[in-house]
Amino acid sequence: EPEVTQTPSHQVTQMGQEVILRCVPISNHLYFYWYRQILGQKVEFLVSFYNNEISEKSEIFDDQFSVERPDGSNFTLKIRSTKLEDSAMYFCASSGTGDGFYEQYFGPGTRLTVT
Amino acid sequence: AQRVTQPEKLLSVFKGAPVELKCNYSYSGSPELFWYVQYSRQRLQLLLRHISRESIKGFTADLNKGETSFHLKKPFAQEEDSAMYYCALIQAAGNKLTFGGGTRVLVKP
Repeated sequence: EPEVTQTPSHQVTQMGQEVILRCVPISNHLYFYWYRQILGQKVEFLVSFYNNEISEKSEIFDDQFSVERPDGSNFTLKIRSTKLEDSAMYFCASSGTGDGFYEQYFGPGTRLTVT
Repeated sequence: AQRVTQPEKLLSVFKGAPVELKCNYSYSGSPELFWYVQYSRQRLQLLLRHISRESIKGFTADLNKGETSFHLKKPFAQEEDSAMYYCALIQAAGNKLTFGGGTRVLVKP
């Protein structure tokens, strides 16, 4: 069964550094998402992406964040200048079309630790 | 704004006992409701979607619009049901999932 994959599984970075989290969505899906979960808190929506454009973003997704689909398979989340409070688990998800539009499939997550 | 509440952080039951995980939501329209499960060291997996009305792994969930609830039930819990369970909502014509805080279920032998 096809799965969403994410790399790396764990990223440690220093405050102020740029990080890029990578995701490979399920191949025939057209909608892509990033969520994050700070330890002990809820899973929070960051951004959704369709047809090479952001379709919705949350208040968390400020100018420090950007997303890109650089080729036909990867979907990336970039944090330009990381802060301590960006430490979290970041989940990528994708969904298909038609009835599958609402069913989001998640990757295993990337644990980001900002020191 | 939509909100999902799971009042229990932890539910501990014995194997074979019934288990019910509560989920309440606030949203003025007609939402799509889901239960996701996360087993230890695994990814979030879609367990149930309210419109499917199926039983998955013995779990069922009924949408009660009057009470704005979508509780998850299983009549006889198994040890392999031990996991984190998240209730989530998508508003009509949207695709952003709003999650509850999650309930950890521990099924004891």
